[in-house]
Amino acid sequence: AQSVTQLDSQVPVFEEAPVELRCNYSSSVSVYLFWYVQYPNQGLQLLLKYLSGSTLVKGINGFEAEFNKSQTSFHLRKPSVHISDTAEYFCAVSEPGSARQLTFGSGTQLTVLP
Amino acid sequence: DVKVTQSSRYLVKRTGEKVFLECVQDMDHENMFWYRQDPGLGLRLIYFSYDVKMKEKGDIPEGYSVSREKKERFSLILESASTNQTSMYLCASTKGGRGAFFGQGTRLTVV
Repeated sequence: AQSVTQLDSQVPVFEEAPVELRCNYSSSVSVYLFWYVQYPNQGLQLLLKYLSGSTLVKGINGFEAEFNKSQTSFHLRKPSVHISDTAEYFCAVSEPGSARQLTFGSGTQLTVLP
Repeated sequence: DVKVTQSSRYLVKRTGEKVFLECVQDMDHENMFWYRQDPGLGLRLIYFSYDVKMKEKGDIPEGYSVSREKKERFSLILESASTNQTSMYLCASTKGGRGAFFGQGTRLTVV
């Protein structure tokens, strides 16, 4: 069985500062990895995904994440955040070819302060 | 762009009522999912379907059932709503394991 741990439930950061949201996963097989963003009272929007290939993945809104297989991590980063980045961020994992998809972490609330 | 549409953004129902949440996707995806989202618990899978008339239980199926009569439509049914089913419900669809597309969510309040 796979699981996802998001190490921080809340991350406050000042505008234009860098941010890292941490995600660790456990799985006995190879995985696909995802980050989703959820704005208040909205559904989830895909930020970026790792399927294979380069371990550094770039997504929308200036976010990027790095897959580290030895540390089973997939941390999300942005060099300079904006107020509009305030949202909840979810890390998720799935097994290739599995219809039962997407085990989610419990989420990290990113709050960007002026 | 893939569009996943949930029939209601907000619903208020009384305890004991039968509740239907509808979800429609327009990209011919085989797989559809219902999650519920609660503070501090993230998203939990209720049911999923990988084909018409096919369904499988997720992690928290108790108190729910589903229906998938057509490929594009996946319904979640609360046979007798209870206050502990007050939550945000999210529908998603996908083709293969490459990431899901979500609807806007339905915030259900059971009073």
